[in-house]
Amino acid sequence: EAGVAQSPRYKIIEKRQSVAFWCNPISGHATLYWYQQILGQGPKLLIQFQNNGVVDDSQLPKDRFSAERLKGVDSTLKIQPAKLEDSAVYLCASSMGLEANEQFFGPGTRLTVL
Amino acid sequence: SQQGEEDPQALSIQEGENATMNCSYKTSINNLQWYRQNSGRGLVHLILIRSNEREKHSGRLRVTLDTSKKSSSLLITASRAADTASYFCATSGTYKYIFGTGTRLKVLA
Repeated sequence: EAGVAQSPRYKIIEKRQSVAFWCNPISGHATLYWYQQILGQGPKLLIQFQNNGVVDDSQLPKDRFSAERLKGVDSTLKIQPAKLEDSAVYLCASSMGLEANEQFFGPGTRLTVL
Repeated sequence: SQQGEEDPQALSIQEGENATMNCSYKTSINNLQWYRQNSGRGLVHLILIRSNEREKHSGRLRVTLDTSKKSSSLLITASRAADTASYFCATSGTYKYIFGTGTRLKVLA
């Protein structure tokens, strides 16, 4: 079974530039999550989708971050414009559904903002 | 904000010893999960314990949950060098998971 795919794996940008990350979850997984993990901390949930609908985006900085999952399969997370404090690993995860399920994580995208 | 606080922040043990790490949380939960993260395999689910369970085993892992104290512990028995990683607890009250700050475990060969 293929795992969660993410691209790119690494990205370096200047502050105020924009960047986009892509995630393809495990086939059949209805729930998709985007997390931000700053070095030395645990993952912080940014947004959670159930199919193509948003379940929770309470910690998403909506003035600069956006995410979509238009067809209920793959998803993109965008930052525009980026700030220095956005430097982190962005993790995508998926699970079969909302109910108390194991999450499967992708390898992450390491973003460095200079 | 992060609900879970793991303790200790870092732990160094000899191969073959047992490792115990603890997680405390603040609000009521439906379940609690433990994850492991290392550079080789990323973040991997280890075990899930529901709020009506008190103890669960999986191989060399033993997890306990005390909802009255809002705490959980993860015990790894007969540790191996390959267990070197960061361990996180993640709590779920509804459908949202909140990860703790993590315990960095180093197992010395």
